[in-house]
Amino acid sequence: QVQLVQSGAEVKKPGASVKVSCKTSGYTFTIYHIHWVRQAPGQSLEWMGWVSAGNGDTKYSQRFQGRVTLTRDTSANTAYMELSSLRSEDTAVYYCAIPAPGTGGFGYWGQGTLVTVSS
Amino acid sequence: EIVMTQTPLSSPVTLGQPASISCRSSQSLVHSDGNTYLSWLQQRPGQSPRLLIYKISNRFSGVPDRFSGSGAGTDFTLKISRVEAEDVGVYYCMQATQFPHLYTFGQGTKLEIK
Repeated sequence: QVQLVQSGAEVKKPGASVKVSCKTSGYTFTIYHIHWVRQAPGQSLEWMGWVSAGNGDTKYSQRFQGRVTLTRDTSANTAYMELSSLRSEDTAVYYCAIPAPGTGGFGYWGQGTLVTVSS
Repeated sequence: EIVMTQTPLSSPVTLGQPASISCRSSQSLVHSDGNTYLSWLQQRPGQSPRLLIYKISNRFSGVPDRFSGSGAGTDFTLKISRVEAEDVGVYYCMQATQFPHLYTFGQGTKLEIK
């Protein structure tokens, strides 16, 4: 079955960077884009961007353009999200997700990674 | 950017009774390929979101048939025919019609038991 397992919680200081991983299994890694979605405490979901697991192409939400970098390692079936210049407002749970084929919806989600930005 | 607006933001419901959540988009969600990429997700407390409904009215794998979706264009509805205790959580609508460029979510509707 499809599984997405993310790295553990992080605590960072303002101005630092964080890199979160998303290890996938149960399907052919290179078929789907891997999306990243974040959720600040008590808030809704916010799409950040995607990386093509096949060729590494990326698309970012304008809101994060210039601060987020999405990559993938096909040998490890793993995707990465790096967010730089962290500020307190970046405190959130970060999720990776992949689309369910033909649905336009995110059918499979990681368990989430809490990133806390605090001085 | 397409803005998704959900109502109500909170919905207290009696067990066994129906529930309904509305979602309105700021522009039509009909894609050039003819599909309407409107999904509904459920997020139980402390869990990751889960896909319930895709393309307005299609239930995802494993979703009970008490969940149904309807609507067209800019107005959509999620209905639960008889609420069960396990349905407590926050429900989000999401549009993917602007893919691959942009996906947006509603603010969320909190379903709780009276």
